[in-house]
Amino acid sequence: GQNIDQPTEMTATEGAIVQINCTYQTSGFNGLFWYQQHAGEAPTFLSYNVLDGLEEKGRFSSFLSRSKGYSYLLLKELQMKDSASYLCAVANTGNQFYFGTGTSLTVIP
Amino acid sequence: DSGVTQTPKHLITATGQRVTLRCSPRSGDLSVYWYQQSLDQGLQFLIQYYNGEERAKGNILERFSAQQFPDLHSELNLSSLELGDSALYFCASSVVGSDTGELFFGEGSRLTVL
Repeated sequence: GQNIDQPTEMTATEGAIVQINCTYQTSGFNGLFWYQQHAGEAPTFLSYNVLDGLEEKGRFSSFLSRSKGYSYLLLKELQMKDSASYLCAVANTGNQFYFGTGTSLTVIP
Repeated sequence: DSGVTQTPKHLITATGQRVTLRCSPRSGDLSVYWYQQSLDQGLQFLIQYYNGEERAKGNILERFSAQQFPDLHSELNLSSLELGDSALYFCASSVVGSDTGELFFGEGSRLTVL
């Protein structure tokens, strides 16, 4: 089965850096994904990790440790528009994607 | 625009009724997924199809069923609706075997059961 945990809510200041953690347990691992979702909208893909280490993509970076079942999403130079829910998802070897409940990030001035 | 099309965008119906949600995946994507997202809940995996065949089932109720047609579009049928079925239903598609294989989501169908 799959078990994915991430914090429910976080608050950070505009211009700052925030790290959103995700821990997971899965039977068969085929990648970890981060998605952004604004209220009432579709999730949009942010990043993908399948090997250990850091993947950087502009202001967003994602890290994976497969041995620890741990990932984080790092958002730098926060902007007000980054206020959204951030979803951690794990794909298994059957290419099923399981999502955490999401971390609601509020960026304050 | 993700390229995944879902209809209808909004649907209001009564308890006990039956509805059908429709999804057209991105051109070339063979895999279609259905998810349910209730208020303040995460995305719950319902079912996955690949090239017309059911690949995996998640937390899908027996009152719900789905299929994928030869043209790769998919339908999710929800019957004997209950108040608790009110949710956003997302369809997603992916290219299995690509470098990242990420899911591309449609805009969702918001179902309200009164």
